[in-house]
Amino acid sequence: DAGVIQSPRHEVTEMGQEVTLRCKPISGHNSLFWYRQTMMRGLELLIYFNNNVPIDDSGMPEDRFSAKMPNASFSTLKIQPSEPRDSAVYFCASSLSARGDSPLHFGNGTRLTVT
Amino acid sequence: GDSVTQMEGPVTLSEEAFLTINCTYTATGYPSLFWYVQYPGEGLQLLLKATKADDKGSNKGFEATYRKETTSFHLEKGSVQVSDSAVYFCAFRMNYGGSQGNLIFGKGTKLSVKP
Repeated sequence: DAGVIQSPRHEVTEMGQEVTLRCKPISGHNSLFWYRQTMMRGLELLIYFNNNVPIDDSGMPEDRFSAKMPNASFSTLKIQPSEPRDSAVYFCASSLSARGDSPLHFGNGTRLTVT
Repeated sequence: GDSVTQMEGPVTLSEEAFLTINCTYTATGYPSLFWYVQYPGEGLQLLLKATKADDKGSNKGFEATYRKETTSFHLEKGSVQVSDSAVYFCAFRMNYGGSQGNLIFGKGTKLSVKP
């Protein structure tokens, strides 16, 4: 069965450019998460959706970051304009429900490099 | 606030050695507990979980017991293999209050197993 699918796997862009990361959650899952992973800060939650509605976006660094979930099978994370400090691996994850005992399933991530 | 503390790595063991990675949590309510594993270049994979006190999660020879009295969820394996080399993350998720819905992670422990 297909897991969480993220695209692209790698993205290299220049400072100031717009970057869009994409995620397809597991079918039937109603919670979706965007995380960022760096060596310095570890795993950070950026935003969390439940039933396509943003529940917690307190981790979104600043207005340059935005996330959408137009339907249950697709989400995007956009950075505009991008900066070198945005370089990280971005993970999307989904879970069957918002219940605490429902584990998150992660995609393989998008490695973003901003030069 | 809600947090997870796990032993810092890296941990280096010889093949067939016994593994323990300590994990304690601070939560405002009653969480479900998880261990995730991340292999190089991949996303996080669920290794095991426990949802209530005294539950033991197990998978692929790894075990962890939910100890409510000590707020701990230590990961153990009796005989590690080279293929177990990875980064291990302890995490919890709560149904209500605090970081509702979110998965709270520790900083990860890198394990290297030498042949």
